[in-house]
Amino acid sequence: IVMTQSPLSLPVTPGEPASISCRSSESLLHRNRDNYLDWYLQKPGQSPQLLIYLGSNRASGVPDRFSGSESGTNFTLKISRVEAEDVGIYYCMQSLQTPFTFGPGTKVDLK
Amino acid sequence: EVELVESGGGLVQPGGSLRLSCAGSGFTFSNYWMHWVRQIPGKGLVWLSRINIDGSSTHYADSVKGRFTISRDTSKNTVFLQMNSLRAEDTAVYYCARNYASGNSYPGVGYWGQGTLVIVSS
Repeated sequence: IVMTQSPLSLPVTPGEPASISCRSSESLLHRNRDNYLDWYLQKPGQSPQLLIYLGSNRASGVPDRFSGSESGTNFTLKISRVEAEDVGIYYCMQSLQTPFTFGPGTKVDLK
Repeated sequence: EVELVESGGGLVQPGGSLRLSCAGSGFTFSNYWMHWVRQIPGKGLVWLSRINIDGSSTHYADSVKGRFTISRDTSKNTVFLQMNSLRAEDTAVYYCARNYASGNSYPGVGYWGQGTLVIVSS
């Protein structure tokens, strides 16, 4: 399954909203009706951290300014109000079938 | 607190072998699938392999199938990645990771180690 993301680079203004799109080449819908799609943030110099799982569920400890939505093979990560600590590279990943595959990443930095 | 600590990285010659280890703590190791993911510095993430909770099932990316072997020792709360026939293109930071959910439910990756750097060069 091929994952694509857009944009690949996203300059943001603190306090403003931001949105990242991810598209899968095939449906990620499991027979249990969940989409097997996760979002990760890799902050500079750090390991990736899980933000959203099953397309729209915030992982433990993730601020509620982060949200995920799904529509068919299109997925969106939204940040309601960007904070300076949100800079880094955002990746989507499908875990419906092996090999799991990541999108190319979206680099978010401050304007 | 979940902690994953990788070790075993370093410099190896092309064609050589290396064994990475990842020690888990802060959770019941035997309840979770484990993964290896790598990242060439400055590039994206590439999933490599996973192993189920009792070690009876493994999966690999095509790029490492037949060369890399994932295994686990539950008594030591450790997962391993045996890497053989290493190539220059295997140079990367290797991350150990744990499933977000326990058991055989959702397979998504939830927690990551800090990574260990492998350099394949003569």
